[in-house]
Amino acid sequence: AQSVAQPEDQVNVAEGNPLTVKCTYSVSGNPYLFWYVQYPNRGLQFLLKYITGDNLVKGSYGFEAEFNKSQTSFHLKKPSALVSDSALYFCAVRLNTGFQKLVFGTGTRLLVSP
Amino acid sequence: KAGVTQTPRYLIKTRGQQVTLSCSPISGHRSVSWYQQTPGQGLQFLFEYFSETQRNKGNFPGRFSGRQFSNSRSEMNVSTLELGDSALYLCASSLAPGQNQPQHFGDGTRLSIL
Repeated sequence: AQSVAQPEDQVNVAEGNPLTVKCTYSVSGNPYLFWYVQYPNRGLQFLLKYITGDNLVKGSYGFEAEFNKSQTSFHLKKPSALVSDSALYFCAVRLNTGFQKLVFGTGTRLLVSP
Repeated sequence: KAGVTQTPRYLIKTRGQQVTLSCSPISGHRSVSWYQQTPGQGLQFLFEYFSETQRNKGNFPGRFSGRQFSNSRSEMNVSTLELGDSALYLCASSLAPGQNQPQHFGDGTRLSIL
């Protein structure tokens, strides 16, 4: 069965500092990996995806993520955090089966202080 | 291009009632999935539809059902509502199954059961 772990409930970082939100996954095949962000009273907003190819994936709003197959990780990163990045971040995995079902992690709340 | 539209945004029902939620996908998107988001269980997959056919179903009781129309719009229905059905229900659309494209989410319907 597929599963995703986000080991940190909350990450605190000062504005201008780099940020990392951690994600590890467990699947039996080749994973498709995604990061989404959720602002209060809103749905999920797509940030980036890894399907195949280059292990470093660049996404929206300056975010990037590195796929590491040996460590089964897909950590989200940004070189310089903004206060407006404060939100709930979800990592998700989907198998290359043709089905669209996403399995999500429990989410990590990012707090960027001024 | 308009995003995924979910109606209504908020609903209040009482135990035992039934409810129907609506989702209009992004124009041209033919695959629609539904998720339930709760503080305790996180994001859980409900169902996936394509070409008016349910392709995949999550681990929810039969009180939860859905359908998709020929214009790709989708509805989900919950009968005999229970307190535990209080949640944010999210709809997501994508071009088609098997494509390497992310799902795009609406802002959800927040259902409260009294």
